[in-house]
Amino acid sequence: GQQVMQIPQYQHVQEGEDFTTYCNSSTTLSNIQWYKQRPGGHPVFLIQLVKSGEVKKQKRLTFQFGEAKKNSSLHITATQTTDVGTYFCAGVNYGQNFVFGPGTRLSVLP
Amino acid sequence: EAGVAQSPRYKIIEKRQSVAFWCNPISGHATLYWYQQILGQGPKLLIQFQNNGVVDDSQLPKDRFSAERLKGVDSTLKIQPAKLEDSAVYLCASSLTGAVAEAFFGQGTRLTVV
Repeated sequence: GQQVMQIPQYQHVQEGEDFTTYCNSSTTLSNIQWYKQRPGGHPVFLIQLVKSGEVKKQKRLTFQFGEAKKNSSLHITATQTTDVGTYFCAGVNYGQNFVFGPGTRLSVLP
Repeated sequence: EAGVAQSPRYKIIEKRQSVAFWCNPISGHATLYWYQQILGQGPKLLIQFQNNGVVDDSQLPKDRFSAERLKGVDSTLKIQPAKLEDSAVYLCASSLTGAVAEAFFGQGTRLTVV
C-alpha cells in the first residue's frame, strides 16, 4: 500500500533560524495536504498542493510539490515560538485515500 | 461555522470492556473520517464514509472495531473488546467531498485502556 515518509522526525531550532521538513510518497499523488498539530491539539489544515512543481507561500511558510508529484517540502523562514508543533503531510492518491506521514516535530528555542 | 464535535473528550476503560465514540461533522460535509493517533505518530485512517456509505475501511480491525454513519450525518465508532494497544486519540474529521477538500478535525477522544 501507499507509504508516506517524512524527515526529519524531530528538529530543534533557535528562534529566527529556518526550518524545512520533507515528505516522500511511495506512489504518485493526486494532491498533497499539509497540517499542523500543536501539542495537545488536533491537526489543522495549512495548505493543499495539486499541480506538479507547484509552489505556494503563506507569510513565512513556503510549500513545494515535486515535479513527479511524489514529494513535497515545507520551509519556514525565521521561525518563531508560535511555529512549535508537529507538521504532517497527507498524501492523497488517485483512489482518494488519505495517508498521513509520521510528522516532523518542531521545537523552537527562544 | 460550528466545527466537528466529538464526545467524550476522555475515556478510561479496562481491557476487554467496550467503548463508543460519537462524532458530529460540520453541516453539509459529505465525507467523514475516523483516525487513530497513537502518541508520537501520525493519524492512521480507520474508516472513511461518503454520506452513509463506506469508502475505505481497509485498516479497520473489524474483529473488534465497528463504525456507522446513520443518515449520512453523525457517526459512532465502537471498540469491543478493547485491548491495551487501543490506547490512543481517536480523531474524527470531515470534508465537503472526499480528499480533494481540506479535512476539518475534531478535538479527539483520548482513550486509555488499562
